[in-house]
Amino acid sequence: QQQVKQSPQSLIVQKGGISIINCAYENTAFDYFPWYQQFPGKGPALLIAIRPDVSEKKEGRFTISFNKSAKQFSLHIMDSQPGDSATYFCAASIDSGGSNYKLTFGKGTLLTVNP
Amino acid sequence: ETGVTQSPTHLIKTRGQQVTLRCSSQSGHNTVSWYQQALGQGPQFIFQYYREEENGRGNFPPRFSGLQFPNYSSELNVNALELDDSALYLCASSPQIAGPSTDTQYFGPGTRLTVL
Repeated sequence: QQQVKQSPQSLIVQKGGISIINCAYENTAFDYFPWYQQFPGKGPALLIAIRPDVSEKKEGRFTISFNKSAKQFSLHIMDSQPGDSATYFCAASIDSGGSNYKLTFGKGTLLTVNP
Repeated sequence: ETGVTQSPTHLIKTRGQQVTLRCSSQSGHNTVSWYQQALGQGPQFIFQYYREEENGRGNFPPRFSGLQFPNYSSELNVNALELDDSALYLCASSPQIAGPSTDTQYFGPGTRLTVL
């Protein structure tokens, strides 16, 4: 059972364009939604994260949009650059002070930004 | 402040062998989680250690075991290796103040395990 579904599997955008990656989750108990960026040969690095009490969070060129009723959240990368070319993972967890803790990841999106 | 480090970087084993992977958590972090990332997939949670005790486990068999030491470094041990154990093994540490939480897990570069 895949608890976090991510799409698209791969994405090609032109430099300066907007990259949009979507995720949907099933478990309504999830209350922490991070996005990770992974370059080849490296571990995932936290980009930005959101909790369900807000519908949007922006950090620089990266924005998370969150729709609690639809159980969906998305990552928008504005003014995409070739250096953003990487694999992006959405994740979800239940952050309830110890009763659960594991990050459940989507399958990833390979983003290629052409110069 | 040093980040999460893992050793070795790469490892080749044969079926049936045992392997130990090591992780040093980021300074000030007392919680370590281990994940398995198969090629082309997202990381899958194996287990987490908090103050030297296992604090939850994912859907992995008992031949996957771990330890956390007083300095919060950690080991992942896998016995009776199978071909499907070939993957990138990631360690992530996080700072816990009041108790275990998933906030801001910082990942190491991983150990690439190949089982022949």
